[in-house]
Amino acid sequence: DTAVSQTPKYLVTQMGNDKSIKCEQNLGHDTMYWYKQDSKKFLKIMFSYNNKELIINETVPNRFSPKSPDKAHLNLHINSLELGDSAVYFCASSLSGDRIIAYGYTFGSGTRLTVV
Amino acid sequence: GEDVEQSLFLSVREGDSSVINCTYTDSSSTYLYWYKQEPGAGLQLLTYIFSNMDMKQDQRLTVLLNKKDKHLSLRIADTQTGDSAIYFCAESWAGGYNKLIFGAGTRLAVHP
Repeated sequence: DTAVSQTPKYLVTQMGNDKSIKCEQNLGHDTMYWYKQDSKKFLKIMFSYNNKELIINETVPNRFSPKSPDKAHLNLHINSLELGDSAVYFCASSLSGDRIIAYGYTFGSGTRLTVV
Repeated sequence: GEDVEQSLFLSVREGDSSVINCTYTDSSSTYLYWYKQEPGAGLQLLTYIFSNMDMKQDQRLTVLLNKKDKHLSLRIADTQTGDSAIYFCAESWAGGYNKLIFGAGTRLAVHP
């Protein structure tokens, strides 16, 4: 009964490959996010979806494409992987509007992507 | 602009108090948060404070906010080895509550 679950937990792949990371939340939240954490632990938002609609799209290479089939799922597809894509990718979810305040985000445990 | 800064490392003795500091740049941020990340895990919300508050206390945690200096701190009383983790400060983006801007995190090491 994990609240925000990501798969896979670890992903090792060669440069140039295409890969996907999946995220699911069972909290009934209406907003989901992808964050990238680099080797220095710095967290940077990539995308956010609210009720399947893209609401935040930061400056991210267009090799990264999020997809939200429903409000409980947000997947991240990465084309033509590069060495610099190696990082930990965190999925998170939240309520929206004022309700986010007290509860913040709920994070998944992360997907460690290593591109070789 | 969007920028949150924290010192990267803090080492304390078990039983002492820890103080983790953070500065942010967006004066219109309405809410500020502290998150904790344990090894191999996602971030967990510890506490938050409204920008119109100066202080918030929650058991061993005390948050102090100096809005004039855009300075936020987290004090952990009676620090335990289980408190060893990375602590992230985050501000809500003024453009909407849904986006949080995180600092780089402060690694807290608690030793006997």
